[in-house]
Amino acid sequence: DTGVSQNPRHKITKRGQNVTFRCDPISEHNRLYWYRQTLGQGPEFLTYFQNEAQLEKSRLLSDRFSAERPKGSFSTLEIQRTEQGDSAMYLCASSSKRASFLGTDTQYFGPGTRLTVL
Amino acid sequence: GENVEQHPSTLSVQEGDSAVIKCTYSDSASNYFPWYKQELGKGPQLIIDIRSNVGEKKDQRIAVTLNKTAKHFSLHITETQPEDSAVYFCAASKAGAGSARQLTFGSGTQLTVLP
Repeated sequence: DTGVSQNPRHKITKRGQNVTFRCDPISEHNRLYWYRQTLGQGPEFLTYFQNEAQLEKSRLLSDRFSAERPKGSFSTLEIQRTEQGDSAMYLCASSSKRASFLGTDTQYFGPGTRLTVL
Repeated sequence: GENVEQHPSTLSVQEGDSAVIKCTYSDSASNYFPWYKQELGKGPQLIIDIRSNVGEKKDQRIAVTLNKTAKHFSLHITETQPEDSAVYFCAASKAGAGSARQLTFGSGTQLTVLP
């Protein structure tokens, strides 16, 4: 399977703990996005990378959140001092910059990591 | 920023009937409108998209229409089947050629196709 993969699929943690999620995009996709989805809502944009550079961050991304993409391949999203309000599905998507010039820069989503903060 | 409204929130149809989901957007600069299908426990999957230079696009049983003047777009599914049951999201974004497309999603429509 060459789609977007995310690990872990589920994470249960206690309030105040730190958690880290990983996203592996589709091979050769140089754009990577993180979204957050709460129950009954659509995904909300968090941040975006082009290669290793983080180019956009949403106001939703508080100081407790940090994302990296050190080598322009996989990405990690870390939440420090988790709060119950952080409970959500964290989705990763990737797309191709080259495809965007062709008007076909579809964002392909992974299965998500469901975070539960107790 | 962009705001996308989606209606209805739930929709039940009989197998074989058509389903229509409608979305409106607020930013007239938005130029890309994808539709995603999300099944339980899975990530969203693109089913069709449309760009602002096109008024309608069709792919087998699925079609999307766009009215730029009214700033609304719709998803039409014909000959619905039980496997069409899922949550459907509309989204909007604006970008120039080569720029990133941050998506703003609607709140979703739970479609149930009754056998």
